[in-house]
Amino acid sequence: AQKVTQAQTEISVVEKEDVTLDCVYETRDTTYYLFWYKQPPSGELVFLIRRNSFDEQNEISGRYSWNFQKSTSSFNFTITASQVVDSAVYFCALYGEGGKLIFGQGTELSVKP
Amino acid sequence: GAVVSQHPSWVICKSGTSVKIECRSLDFQATTMFWYRQFPKQSLMLMATSNEGSKATYEQGVEKDKFLINHASLTLSTLTVTSAHPEDSSFYICSANTGTSHTDTQYFGPGTRLTVL
Repeated sequence: AQKVTQAQTEISVVEKEDVTLDCVYETRDTTYYLFWYKQPPSGELVFLIRRNSFDEQNEISGRYSWNFQKSTSSFNFTITASQVVDSAVYFCALYGEGGKLIFGQGTELSVKP
Repeated sequence: GAVVSQHPSWVICKSGTSVKIECRSLDFQATTMFWYRQFPKQSLMLMATSNEGSKATYEQGVEKDKFLINHASLTLSTLTVTSAHPEDSSFYICSANTGTSHTDTQYFGPGTRLTVL
């Protein structure tokens, strides 16, 4: 079975703190793709990153960084020096069988000033 | 690039009426579009996969006669909620692939909030 688990339902931090959102996935496929999306209060899902299973290099984009570890089936997302505008629900997702995107339950991040 | 729009952004209707939601890819052609439903504080649930020029593929438990999907062109897919009832009230989101592979990145529309009175 394919599954994405985001164990942290809600996280609250104070501005400028670093925060890591956890994502653990399950799949039997040798080739797979992982994603992170941001859903601000407006509702629109914003694409953040796509990673394929053969690329385990960590990625950094500004204040965002991602740690992909196949050994632990994890694809964690870190926001450095968080800002109020980072407040949103963040979804980790896995491309599963038949081209379906399997979403985790989401982590609601609240960044307080 | 990769912009997906939805119209309307919100709609309120009376029970028993039908509502049509449009999903458009603005700067690319989308062979495949997807329709999701999201309840408050929950994740996205895939309802159906829409392929241009062919019948949509519905997920288990989704009534195809209630949620009519049409993908008449490479830039437009529509979802019609027929004979809507209060339990159909939800946030409906579409997405589109930018390429031809099912593993291409999905870009999402802004969503449509449906309230059925």
